[in-house]
Amino acid sequence: AQTVTQSQPEMSVQEAETVTLSCTYDTSENNYYLFWYKQPPSRQMILVIRQEAYKQQNATENRFSVNFQKAAKSFSLKISDSQLGDTAMYFCAFMGLNTGFQKLVFGTGTRLLVSP
Amino acid sequence: DGGITQSPKYLFRKEGQNVTLSCEQNLNHDAMYWYRQDPGQGLRLIYYSQIVNDFQKGDIAEGYSVSREKKESFPLTVTSAQKNPTAFYLCASRSVYSNQPQHFGDGTRLSIL
Repeated sequence: AQTVTQSQPEMSVQEAETVTLSCTYDTSENNYYLFWYKQPPSRQMILVIRQEAYKQQNATENRFSVNFQKAAKSFSLKISDSQLGDTAMYFCAFMGLNTGFQKLVFGTGTRLLVSP
Repeated sequence: DGGITQSPKYLFRKEGQNVTLSCEQNLNHDAMYWYRQDPGQGLRLIYYSQIVNDFQKGDIAEGYSVSREKKESFPLTVTSAQKNPTAFYLCASRSVYSNQPQHFGDGTRLSIL
């Protein structure tokens, strides 16, 4: 079974600085997708960024980018120019072909606090 | 606007009662999901459905039941057999015809009185 590990329970960063959140996963599959979701205090789950395993190029979405290392099974999220609105829980998630891309496996999350 | 609506936002249950959480989507998505979130843990899958009148157990289905009579609706019943029902429940949906991510509702907080 796939597992997703987020080893940083909490992180803090000052406004305008850069922060990197770590995620590792365990799978024997070659065809899968990885996601970062953001959960602000409102508790809504918001998709931040996605990466397809067969693509070597790292995904970027404005201030958010990933460092996808397939061999190392690592999928870190970099937030540049952090803003107060980035304060949230961040979850890394895996979706694989062996479940027909039906099931998301989540990590336990990293709480990010952005301070002025 | 298209989206996923969960109701109510807060729900209270007495010991021994069943309670049903509503999830409706107008995104024309085929697949729908229910997750449970506890403090300090990620989301855990309760049930999912890929098509009307069909659903599968997730990782923590015991004490829960679902139905999928309409494409738009996927209600979750928390039965009295669920010994620790206090949690935050999230509903999600996605299209099965593309490898798109799941979209989430705003959640329901269930508490035991």
